[in-house]
Amino acid sequence: KAGVTQTPRYLIKTRGQQVTLSCSPISGHRSVSWYQQTPGQGLQFLFEYFSETQRNKGNFPGRFSGRQFSNSRSEMNVSTLELGDSALYLCATSLSGPPNTEAFFGQGTRLTVV
Amino acid sequence: EDQVTQSPEALRLQEGESSSLNCSYTVSGLRGLFWYRQDPGKGPEFLFTLYSAGEEKEKERLKATLTKKESFLHITAPKPEDSATYLCAVQAWGQNFVFGPGTRLSVLP
Repeated sequence: KAGVTQTPRYLIKTRGQQVTLSCSPISGHRSVSWYQQTPGQGLQFLFEYFSETQRNKGNFPGRFSGRQFSNSRSEMNVSTLELGDSALYLCATSLSGPPNTEAFFGQGTRLTVV
Repeated sequence: EDQVTQSPEALRLQEGESSSLNCSYTVSGLRGLFWYRQDPGKGPEFLFTLYSAGEEKEKERLKATLTKKESFLHITAPKPEDSATYLCAVQAWGQNFVFGPGTRLSVLP
């Protein structure tokens, strides 16, 4: 079966711009979580969506937001980009979310802010 | 606050040289402990879920074990294709994953 699909794979943006990333989950998966991965901080949880509702949120500023559509696809938006937002953004999907058993990750979107 | 540490930070092994990676955690109400493998530039790949102390799971050359405070990932007779970063994550009830920093494993031929 198809895995988790993230688009685009690579993105270069300028400081102050905004960006939207997309995540299409495995068929049947209703929970989508977003993570930011940087060499210094590792994998950090951004937020989780289930049935179009945000259920959990990590400690990130309000510039980071997301949404989920009725087909479970999710988008993440970052406004007013800063250099420190350069990272690999990963989404992970699971059948029902916490307490879940297994979460499967996409390949990620590599965002570079210049 | 839930915390996960992993050691060593990096490990270099010769092909066939067995070793173990450590994941130490503090969490209030462990729901599960997860091991992932991540190759450079790719998303983490799910390996194991462990739920209770004493549990063990195996997959090919990998074996994961769990105690009340830590988990070990044992690698038996590793091959160069086992080279990757191994991530450990814990999940408390009703919460999302908290990941450790990972162990970067290099297996030399």
